[in-house]
This record gives sequence, structure tokens and C-alpha cells, in this order.
Amino acid sequence: GAVVSQHPSWVICKSGTSVKIECRSLDFQATTMFWYRQFPKQSLMLMATSNEGSKATYEQGVEKDKFLINHASLTLSTLTVTSAHPEDSSFYICSTVLRGYPTYNEQFFGPGTRLTVL
Amino acid sequence: GQQLNQSPQSMFIQEGEDVSMNCTSSSIFNTWLWYKQEPGEGPVLLIALYKAGELTSNGRLTAQFGITRKDSFLNISASIPSDVGIYFCAGQLTNQGAQKLVFGQGTRLTINP
Repeated sequence: GAVVSQHPSWVICKSGTSVKIECRSLDFQATTMFWYRQFPKQSLMLMATSNEGSKATYEQGVEKDKFLINHASLTLSTLTVTSAHPEDSSFYICSTVLRGYPTYNEQFFGPGTRLTVL
Repeated sequence: GQQLNQSPQSMFIQEGEDVSMNCTSSSIFNTWLWYKQEPGEGPVLLIALYKAGELTSNGRLTAQFGITRKDSFLNISASIPSDVGIYFCAGQLTNQGAQKLVFGQGTRLTINP
């Protein structure tokens, strides 16, 4: 069964508003979560690494003030797109690494959230 | 930065045919992973490769990790309609602690019944 869930699965918002996306690990603790963005017919691009209890690490070119990440618990990370614009429309996907399985380092991906900004 | 070059970008095949796709990189990765993504969903792990030269199978799927740790291929034998999707290779650098993944551009597989 699924190990990672995301909510909502899709969202439509007006330009200038903020949108929060949740990523939850199911039945296990996730000290690290990753946030990716995927534009249509393109690959996944890592946006940031979220660590429980500390500040997220953002990839080069990703605005930390625009994409706010909070990882307040071992099972939940949130991504807030602030003052969204049409160019932020994309498929946002989170992933986690199973705690206690360092040998394999497998990342399990959530089902994704499609954001459309009008 | 690191990049993975994946080819082909798309494939149109008949059901029952074998499929082969590959990834190359200018960088060395500790781990190579192959994922499949279907429309509107997140990627699902197919095969993980940890050792240079490793050849691993998962049902009709076979993947190999290049000796130089800079390339990998994925083969699908006797394709069936449910194989349709986008296949991504991904390289992982575990020595950076964050276990970040770098993805290839993807191979879109279409199967004619």
C-alpha cells in the first residue's frame, strides 16, 4: 500500500493567493522529506529538502520566501506556495526516505498535487 | 551541476516487443534507480542498483549499473499494455547525507495493442 500521501490531489487558485500542500508519511517516521516540481512533459526537479525540526535546504534558484516549507513532525511536511502566479502552475510531488533503512536509501513518492493558478 | 541524459525520449512499440532505454551521466553516482510514472501520479520505484556492474531483474524488467557508475540501462521484455508510462532513471549521491536524486528526462513508452 501507499506509504506517502499528499493533500490536496489538485487545487485551482486565483493569482496572488497562497496554497498549502501537505505531505504525510503513513505508518512510519520520516525525518527527511523532499519536494519536487514537475512541469508538463518534463522531469522532476528537486526544490528543497525538508528535515524535521530544522530549516529546509533549498536548491539553487528556488525562492525560499515563495515556497515555504514546514516539517514540524515526523509524519508531516507542508509546502506553501505564497502569492501564487500562473507560472507556478505545476505538479508538486513529495517523497520520503524510510527511517531505519539507511542501506537502501529508497525514496517513496507521494501521488502528487496538481496546482493550477488562474 | 549533475545531469542525466536519458534516451530515447519516446518509444512507440507493438505489444509483445522488447524495450530498451538507457541513461548516461558525466558524474559518478553511488546508486542508480529506475522509476515508472503514470499520468497524474508520483513515480514508483522499479529497480534499485547499488554496485558497479550489478545486473538486477524484477519480473520482466532487467537493469544494469555500469562499471564506471556513470550509466545504466533498463530492458523490458515482452511488453504488455500496462507497461505504458514514463520511465525515469535517477542517480543518487548518498555521501552527501541528503540523499538527493537527480532525474533523467524520462522515456515515454506507448504500446500499440
